[in-house]
Amino acid sequence: AQSVAQPEDQVNVAEGNPLTVKCTYSVSGNPYLFWYVQYPNRGLQFLLKYITGDNLVKGSYGFEAEFNKSQTSFHLKKPSALVSDSALYFCAAALNTGFQKLVFGTGTRLLVSP
Amino acid sequence: NAGVTQTPKFQVLKTGQSMTLQCAQDMNHEYMSWYRQDPGMGLRLIHYSVGAGITDQGEVPNGYNVSRSTTEDFPLRLLSAAPSQTSVYFCASRLQGAERTDTQYFGPGTRLTVL
Repeated sequence: AQSVAQPEDQVNVAEGNPLTVKCTYSVSGNPYLFWYVQYPNRGLQFLLKYITGDNLVKGSYGFEAEFNKSQTSFHLKKPSALVSDSALYFCAAALNTGFQKLVFGTGTRLLVSP
Repeated sequence: NAGVTQTPKFQVLKTGQSMTLQCAQDMNHEYMSWYRQDPGMGLRLIHYSVGAGITDQGEVPNGYNVSRSTTEDFPLRLLSAAPSQTSVYFCASRLQGAERTDTQYFGPGTRLTVL
């Protein structure tokens, strides 16, 4: 079965330090991968996507993600964390080429301390 | 634009009751979908629609019905609520096409409790 795994329930980082939120995937065919962020009591917001092309994808709010086919990973990164980045982050993969069906990871809570 | 709106925000049902969760968008998006979010499980796709009159099942469709009579509205119906349907429900919409996935917007959610 196709799936997405986020091995860390929570990531703690100090403001100004780099952050990484991990994601690994198991999909058949070409992977189409996404990152979303959820703030408290809000719906998910799109951050970035990997469809094809460069392995380093840049997205909103200074986030980027690195696609690694050999390690089947799509880790989310940011060079310098902000307290306002504290939120719940979801990795997702498209199950069909029309991208109507997404499978989500279980989410990683990012906590950035001042 | 109001974006994606969902009503109600909160709902408590008794087992066996029926209800409809409303979802509307004013962005002329072809694609709309319903997800449920449960602790430790991420979001799971319930049903989706690629346009008026066209719906299809997602990962967890049992116990839910949908219809799409207009582009704007995509209601989710619970025919006979069960405690296992206690969850937070999110509606989402976007333009069709792979290149438009960055247009996906999620509503604020409906928190449903079934006693």
